[in-house]
Amino acid sequence: EVQLVESGGGLVKPGGSLRLSCAASGFGFSGTWMDWVRQTPGKGLEWVGRIKTEAGGGATDYAAPVKGRFTISRDDSKKALYLQMNSLRPEDTGVYFCTALSTFGGFIVTSFWGQGTLVTVSS
Amino acid sequence: DIQMTQSPSSLSASVGDRVTITCRASQSTGIYLNWFQQKPGKAPKVLIYGASTLHSGVPSRFSGSGSGTDFTLTISSLQPEDFATYYCQQSYITPWTFGQGTKVEMK
Repeated sequence: EVQLVESGGGLVKPGGSLRLSCAASGFGFSGTWMDWVRQTPGKGLEWVGRIKTEAGGGATDYAAPVKGRFTISRDDSKKALYLQMNSLRPEDTGVYFCTALSTFGGFIVTSFWGQGTLVTVSS
Repeated sequence: DIQMTQSPSSLSASVGDRVTITCRASQSTGIYLNWFQQKPGKAPKVLIYGASTLHSGVPSRFSGSGSGTDFTLTISSLQPEDFATYYCQQSYITPWTFGQGTKVEMK
């Protein structure tokens, strides 16, 4: 059974930092592209960014609102995904989901989601 | 970025009703369009990918159609477990973007 379990959310002041983790199990983590998706009161569901496989160079891609502030990384030996969030703003408040992508007939699909972890940015 | 607009934002329906939700993209996404269902306090679940392909385990009362900029999700006969919020998502180009959601409520 595929499981994605996020942790590390909490309350942080504007300008602060937080590191989210996602523990993966039940699938071939090292061969899977992973995304972070957030759900905020202001913008609803929003793609945050992606990390490809180490075999594919581990390339990352970010949404414009977080580029330069957030960093996605992975540790295949631990089957773990991370989201380092710096210079946090109130508009970053929301639930952050770790997601795993699958390929079906040429389509890349957000197949699996964690339960989400709440990040609140407030003074 | 490609903007995704769903309509309606909410609808009231009864068990057994046929429900249709539309999604319009600000530019063509081909058939790189997915539909998700989300229930309160839970993560979204994929229903349909490639505009019309049912994901594994999804009941056949769900169907999707469309290409280019206009897409439709149809529930042929609404069941009690289908009351939820539905989102479209384009996966044509990053940043992948979602519609604002359509909440299906009980009439």
